[in-house]
Amino acid sequence: SQTIHQWPATLVQPVGSPLSLECTVEGTSNPNLYWYRQAAGRGLQLLFYSVGIGQISSEVPQNLSASRPQDRQFILSSKKLLLSDSGFYLCAWRPQLAKNIQYFGAGTRLSVL
Amino acid sequence: AQKITQTQPGMFVQEKEAVTLDCTYDTSDQSYGLFWYKQPSSGEMIFLIYQGSYDEQNATEGRYSLNFQKARKSANLVISASQLGDSAMYFCAMREGLRVDSSYKLIFGSGTRLLVRP
Repeated sequence: SQTIHQWPATLVQPVGSPLSLECTVEGTSNPNLYWYRQAAGRGLQLLFYSVGIGQISSEVPQNLSASRPQDRQFILSSKKLLLSDSGFYLCAWRPQLAKNIQYFGAGTRLSVL
Repeated sequence: AQKITQTQPGMFVQEKEAVTLDCTYDTSDQSYGLFWYKQPSSGEMIFLIYQGSYDEQNATEGRYSLNFQKARKSANLVISASQLGDSAMYFCAMREGLRVDSSYKLIFGSGTRLLVRP
């Protein structure tokens, strides 16, 4: 069966520090991968998506970047965090053969202080 | 521009009763998909139900059904026989039509917080 792992679950980082959030998917190949951010009490905003290794598309200009070094690994990074980067980050994947349903990881709650 | 609107920030329902959560959408695509996700306090987004724009029958998954009215561009979620565990945020989302890069991006509404009363 397919599963998605996202870590860490919680992270507190000082302003100006780097960031690396990792997401991996098991039990599937060549999935579409997505990074979303959710501000407190709000809906989800798509940050990045990837349809294949090394292919990254950015949805909004920001302080963050994404990479896909392996087929089932998706990494969200920042060189210097800003206060406004605080939020709940969710990784999702979509199987190639499905009703285009996206399945989500458990999320990472990031607090930048 | 594609958009999802959820006009109910919060809803209450008595345990064992049915509740309808509203969702309207706007798109110029002919082919699209509509989704409902549940987000409990833990934060994980749980897929509930899917409706394709060409599906003639309303989707159902256990106690969840999607009231799809294409002409009105609405996709309301109906939860029957509410349970205490149904208390959560509920998000309506739309998958845009096929794009060249096969991205199948989702656009989310702002959510409705449902509280089930015992």
